[in-house]
Amino acid sequence: DVKVTQSSRYLVKRTGEKVFLECVQDMDHENMFWYRQDPGLGLRLIYFSYDVKMKEKGDIPEGYSVSREKKERFSLILESASTNQTSMYLCASSPGQGRQYFGPGTRLTVT
Amino acid sequence: AQSVTQLDSQVPVFEEAPVELRCNYSSSVSVYLFWYVQYPNQGLQLLLKYLSGSTLVESINGFEAEFNKSQTSFHLRKPSVHISDTAEYFCAVSDRGGSYIPTFGRGTSLIVHP
Repeated sequence: DVKVTQSSRYLVKRTGEKVFLECVQDMDHENMFWYRQDPGLGLRLIYFSYDVKMKEKGDIPEGYSVSREKKERFSLILESASTNQTSMYLCASSPGQGRQYFGPGTRLTVT
Repeated sequence: AQSVTQLDSQVPVFEEAPVELRCNYSSSVSVYLFWYVQYPNQGLQLLLKYLSGSTLVESINGFEAEFNKSQTSFHLRKPSVHISDTAEYFCAVSDRGGSYIPTFGRGTSLIVHP
C-alpha cells in the first residue's frame, strides 16, 4: 500500500512564526501536492512538484513556499504565519492519471 | 480548463435508504473521473475511479458511479446506506491529455441518521 505521512496531525503556532509542514511518500511517485482545505471551499491547490527541485504554483501560493530536495519528501513553508492560514493542510502524491494518495492531514491553528 | 460541480453541499438520509450524490463536470478534452471519501479528521481516500472501459464502476463497500458522457456527469449512488457512510465525498476530474493535476469539487457532506 502507498503510504503518505505528514509530520504533525495538529499544530498550534503564533502569528509571525515560520512554520514547516513535511510530507513523505514511500512509492517513488514523481508528483507531489500541497492543498489546504476549508469548510465550503473544498480543496485548494497551493503548490505542486513534478520532480526533485521542481515546483509550480497552484491556485493560492501567496504566503507559502515549498521545498523538494529529495523525491520522497515535499515540504510546505509558511514564512510568517498569519491567522488566515489556520486550516487543514493535505499532502498528496500521484503516479499520474490524476489519481492521488493523500496523507492524514495537518490541522494548523495560528493564534 | 476543467471544472467540477457537486450540486449538493449536504445530503441527510436515514439509515438503509438509498442515496445519490451528484457530480457534473466540464472539460474540453476526455477525462478521468474519481470519487474520494474523507472521514472526520482524516485525509481523502479513493472510493472509485473511471479510467476507461465500462461506464459503471463499483467500490468494495457498495457504492457505484456511472460515467455519462452526454450529460457530463459522474453521480455516486448506494442502494442502502449505513451510519458508517457518514463522511465528506469529493468528486474529481483530470484530463487525459497529460495533465496530472485533478480538479476537485467542493464536496458533499453525507449525513446518515439512525
